[in-house]
Amino acid sequence: QKEVEQDPGPLSVPEGAIVSLNCTYSNSAFQYFMWYRQYSRKGPELLMYTYSSGNKEDGRFTAQVDKSSKYISLFIRDSQPSDSATYLCAMSASRDDKIIFGKGTRLHILP
Amino acid sequence: GAVVSQHPSRVICKSGTSVKIECRSLDFQATTMFWYRQFPKQSLMLMATSNEGSKATYEQGVEKDKFLINHASLTLSTLTVTSAHPEDSSFYICSAREHWGSQPQHFGDGTRLSIL
Repeated sequence: QKEVEQDPGPLSVPEGAIVSLNCTYSNSAFQYFMWYRQYSRKGPELLMYTYSSGNKEDGRFTAQVDKSSKYISLFIRDSQPSDSATYLCAMSASRDDKIIFGKGTRLHILP
Repeated sequence: GAVVSQHPSRVICKSGTSVKIECRSLDFQATTMFWYRQFPKQSLMLMATSNEGSKATYEQGVEKDKFLINHASLTLSTLTVTSAHPEDSSFYICSAREHWGSQPQHFGDGTRLSIL
């Protein structure tokens, strides 16, 4: 079993819909959870960064972490065509530990 | 803030050539820089971690003699792919961490390396 599992998609949704992206993981030591957005031929851009369980909201983005289920989610409200990208979940056990990335989910927002 | 610049963005060269990629933190000092490789439709795979002024730590399976990393200053790290072969063709991405123990990493825009 891989440390971090993420459905690669692609996921296609109409503009304005709510998008739900998620990852599961196996290592209960993970404490720091991140979501990155990566456009084609570009480096990852940090969207959300959370510690331990709970919710965090930033504009149209909401990150949820459920450590008991080893499950994290990213919700995008009022999705826009510009949100079309690959979304990578990532996590680490401590601040100075290496980050483990999921494979990424390709998202297409249809105008 | 927290901008990481990576250069060049694209390299095409013949097999056997050595290629150097630069990673610079433009507005902060990076005590730690990371080098990743990403194959199409795959995740980022950490190759090595470099701390300023010391030798890089390579991940299992990464040849340190083939992928030379230098982190001579707090704002610059370089990755040299020596005697590159077609199987080294990939997307190489660097990231930088602002100071020891801080998260998250800030990523460069990557270098697409194609070896003919």
